[in-house]
Amino acid sequence: NAGVTQTPKFRILKIGQSMTLQCTQDMNHNYMYWYRQDPGMGLKLIYYSVGAGITDKGEVPNGYNVSRSTTEDFPLRLELAAPSQTSVYFCASSNQDSPRGYGYTFGSGTRLTVV
Amino acid sequence: AQRVTQPEKLLSVFKGAPVELKCNYSYSGSPELFWYVQYSRQRLQLLLRHISRESIKGFTADLNKGETSFHLKKPFAQEEDSAMYYCAPVNYQLIWGAGTKLIIKP
Repeated sequence: NAGVTQTPKFRILKIGQSMTLQCTQDMNHNYMYWYRQDPGMGLKLIYYSVGAGITDKGEVPNGYNVSRSTTEDFPLRLELAAPSQTSVYFCASSNQDSPRGYGYTFGSGTRLTVV
Repeated sequence: AQRVTQPEKLLSVFKGAPVELKCNYSYSGSPELFWYVQYSRQRLQLLLRHISRESIKGFTADLNKGETSFHLKKPFAQEEDSAMYYCAPVNYQLIWGAGTKLIIKP
């Protein structure tokens, strides 16, 4: 079991460029999440999905888009990258009932720098 | 907003000393909380679930509804406990704590 896999691990973008952060899970979890972690701050929810075809905004969705065409994949798209999007991005997944029992399974993170 | 607060950004204690990482919450309903740990260059891992009342790596945490707290405790700190610790709500729509960096000095 690979769990939650994120790619790439590191990326440097120029202002105005676009990119997609990939996230795949092999646990058949129906819930998936994207968080960003800024230095000295807690995790902030960007977008989440409760199942294939269903996505919704979290606390800080501006500048991002997501899609969920399959249970396994939940890519995060950055359009027109800005320095404020420099952060570490974490993808996570959970079962609908497992947050209470087993919490979230996190990916290893993507460190993004926008210059 | 309903949120979790960790008042200490950094906590530094000597090896063998007791450790207490503070977590306070503000909820309108019944809270359900976790502690997550992030060791250097590793992903976030679940450390404790408040519903299980278990002890992991010597850490325990009790939900105190009167004080609205879920502090993480360990009686004797070890160097390998150095990490970032996050108090987290079960409900993903709620706001995580900012994390406490724990440094165990030899």
